[in-house]
Amino acid sequence: GAVVSQHPSRVICKSGTSVKIECRSLDFQATTMFWYRQFPKQSLMLMATSNEGSKATYEQGVEKDKFLINHASLTLSTLTVTSAHPEDSSFYICSARAGVTNTEAFFGQGTRLTVV
Amino acid sequence: GESVGLHLPTLSVQEGDNSIINCAYSNSASDYFIWYKQESGKGPQFIIDIRSNMDKRQGQRVTVLLNKTVKHLSLQIAATQPGDSAVYFCAETGNTGFQKLVFGTGTRLLVSP
Repeated sequence: GAVVSQHPSRVICKSGTSVKIECRSLDFQATTMFWYRQFPKQSLMLMATSNEGSKATYEQGVEKDKFLINHASLTLSTLTVTSAHPEDSSFYICSARAGVTNTEAFFGQGTRLTVV
Repeated sequence: GESVGLHLPTLSVQEGDNSIINCAYSNSASDYFIWYKQESGKGPQFIIDIRSNMDKRQGQRVTVLLNKTVKHLSLQIAATQPGDSAVYFCAETGNTGFQKLVFGTGTRLLVSP
């Protein structure tokens, strides 16, 4: 299957700082990317859907000013956690989907964020 | 609102047994469903998918069954192996044209040798 690369895989940051997570589709153009957050032993919670060149659509309860999503190109989407707090510590996962007819979504390996 | 949930949080089986993982969904308009496998510390891995115009689809050692009448989805794994141990999620796109991909609660499958 297609490859989605997420970087970094782990990050530790101080409370109040911002962290950027990158999600790249390496061998295909991703028209749609999904960002998820996953707490231990829980399911993936959809945070937002982004389409290249347009603003992300955020799920209810997700603060768009805190979780900034940029999908400026067909191979790159970024999630920036602004003014991070310990409760933002989680596993963040991106997924990319190619085109309209391709229905498979490929996932990155995830980013473990720890805010201290 | 939309929700996708699972009946069993943990399923323990012996190597060689067949495993059945279940999933209930609430959005009757959902038209596409996917099963994913997630190993610890990794992103989900695609297993098999099914569209709402089908009721069964088979892959290698896996079969997905869809019962739209009761809004139920199941994943059957034949001859379960220790390497199948993971958390399994069903996911559905609703009728959003794949502008959403919502995950169910998850079932942990434990395979004993």
